[in-house]
Amino acid sequence: DGGITQSPKYLFRKEGQNVTLSCEQNLNHDAMYWYRQDPGQGLRLIYYSQIVNDFQKGDIAEGYSVSREKKESFPLTVTSAQKNPTAFYLCASSIDIGRIGYTFGSGTRLTVV
Amino acid sequence: DQQVKQNSPSLSVQEGRISILNCDYTNSMFDYFLWYKKYPAEGPTFLISISSIKDKNEDGRFTVFLNKSAKHLSLHIVPSQPGDSAVYFCAAQRASNSGYALNFGKGTSLLVTP
Repeated sequence: DGGITQSPKYLFRKEGQNVTLSCEQNLNHDAMYWYRQDPGQGLRLIYYSQIVNDFQKGDIAEGYSVSREKKESFPLTVTSAQKNPTAFYLCASSIDIGRIGYTFGSGTRLTVV
Repeated sequence: DQQVKQNSPSLSVQEGRISILNCDYTNSMFDYFLWYKKYPAEGPTFLISISSIKDKNEDGRFTVFLNKSAKHLSLHIVPSQPGDSAVYFCAAQRASNSGYALNFGKGTSLLVTP
């Protein structure tokens, strides 16, 4: 079955450490996205990528970095510069930059301890 | 600046009744609107969408209405079922260089009681 896989489901990080969240899709989608969900904040766009080797900042990119070396993969690194990294992170993909809605992964809950 | 607004954080409805979830947007460039349903600790799943050239789209128990002049859309669920209890996100898309990234509202938590 095609879909998006995010791993791990739960992640704990010490303050000052970088951590990378994995997102893999086998839907042959060109576009991929990272969103962050906080209570009462909805989903906010961190980064997105329309094609391989290209990505753009979203609304809250500070303290995050991404790469898109393969079509299937769009890992997100939460750096120590991110002041409030504890959140639920969602990866999504879409077939292209067109009209079809996204397919979301099941999310990663990151907690800074 | 929140361009997609869901002003009701929560809604409680009795089973069998109609649930109406509202969404307002500020950007007139939005031309495609979607509703997503989300359970705790899971990713959102696509529910229904509507293009700005339409004012209504129906799919089973779910109907989305769009009022472009008011920049308002609503999701109607009839009849509501306990399994519909979830957070519902309204999202909007625009044709621009931003790659059609979705703008989401903050969500409305729907509780359907037996």
